[in-house]
Amino acid sequence: GQNIDQPTEMTATEGAIVQINCTYQTSGFNGLFWYQQHAGEAPTFLSYNVLDGLEEKGRFSSFLSRSKGYSYLLLKELQMKDSASYLCAVRDGSAGNMLTFGGGTRLMVKP
Amino acid sequence: EAQVTQNPRYLITVTGKKLTVTCSQNMNHEYMSWYRQDPGLGLRQIYYSMNVEVTDKGDVPEGYKVSRKEKRNFPLILESPSPNQTSLYFCASSRTGASYGYTFGSGTRLTVV
Repeated sequence: GQNIDQPTEMTATEGAIVQINCTYQTSGFNGLFWYQQHAGEAPTFLSYNVLDGLEEKGRFSSFLSRSKGYSYLLLKELQMKDSASYLCAVRDGSAGNMLTFGGGTRLMVKP
Repeated sequence: EAQVTQNPRYLITVTGKKLTVTCSQNMNHEYMSWYRQDPGLGLRQIYYSMNVEVTDKGDVPEGYKVSRKEKRNFPLILESPSPNQTSLYFCASSRTGASYGYTFGSGTRLTVV
């Protein structure tokens, strides 16, 4: 089985930087994904990490440490539209490459 | 446009009345999956399919059925819905291969009274 933990809620100020952490335990790690989900809408893909290190994509970056079972999503120059839930998901190669999601972190961006 | 299409978007039904939520994708993806999302519990996988005629249980399969007779379609069937199946449901698809993420449908909000 898998266990994925991330904070339930975070608040940050427009223009600031926020880091959303995710820790996981899995028997057959085969990649980690971050998704953004606005209330009542479908999740949308943000990033993918399979090797250790930082992946940068515009204002969003994602980091992975496989030995620590740890990832974070970094959001820079926060905008009001970044208010959403951010879902960490781990792919398990020993379970048909199934994606298991964490509970999500609800981020509120304030002016 | 590449997409996953779910229908209906909203459904209110009564306990015990069989229903089907349809899911179709136009990207020729091998892998399809159903999730339910509940407050505080996140996205939980119900069933998944690696390809036509290949389906398997996820974490919460009780009370649900699926079929994969064609590559593009993956309907979710509730034979006898109960109030604890009130939830937001998402269908997702992807190519096989570890680096491919999911494309999600728009969701179906189901209420069972």
